[in-house]
Amino acid sequence: DAGVIQSPRHEVTEMGQEVTLRCKPISGHNSLFWYRQTMMRGLELLIYFNNNVPIDDSGMPEDRFSAKMPNASFSTLKIQPSEPRDSAVYFCASGPGGGGETQYFGPGTRLLVL
Amino acid sequence: SQKIEQNSEALNIQEGKTATLTCNYTNYSPAYLQWYRQDPGRGPVFLLLIRENEKEKRKERLKVTFDTTLKQSLFHITASQPADSATYLCALEGDYKLSFGAGTTVTVRA
Repeated sequence: DAGVIQSPRHEVTEMGQEVTLRCKPISGHNSLFWYRQTMMRGLELLIYFNNNVPIDDSGMPEDRFSAKMPNASFSTLKIQPSEPRDSAVYFCASGPGGGGETQYFGPGTRLLVL
Repeated sequence: SQKIEQNSEALNIQEGKTATLTCNYTNYSPAYLQWYRQDPGRGPVFLLLIRENEKEKRKERLKVTFDTTLKQSLFHITASQPADSATYLCALEGDYKLSFGAGTTVTVRA
């Protein structure tokens, strides 16, 4: 299996621009998670989908962030407009069970907002 | 408030020794606890899961204990090797999702 696929791997953008991160989960997994990792705050859960439905978005920092999962094999995380404090590594993870079960992480997208 | 605390300092050990990492938590009642490994520039990789009714779990040179009374998990790497150098994260199940500790960075010297 190819594992969780994320794109792009690196993104550099200017403040105010829209950023879209993409994720393809492992086939057959019914849970999908978006995380953000920084040195200061560690690994934070942003949003959790189960069977393509958002279950918990309490970690989404503000209205500038939105996530969608139109089908079982694709999800996006969008930041509009982006700000320098959004600079971080964003991970997508998927899992075969519920939200507290074992998760399989993608390689991450390193985002730098100038 | 809920809190997960791992060894605050990085851990430097000699090859062949045992590394012991600590994960303490407050205001959680996890049904299980997980440990992940993260290498620089990569996503975390699942290592072990231990349930609340299990005291100890082993996988090759790794051993995890889980004490729900002390609210603590210990993670041991025996006969450590330079290839074990990485950051190790504990993760607790709660409210149907995982919360991760900040991680402990282990460096094994040859």
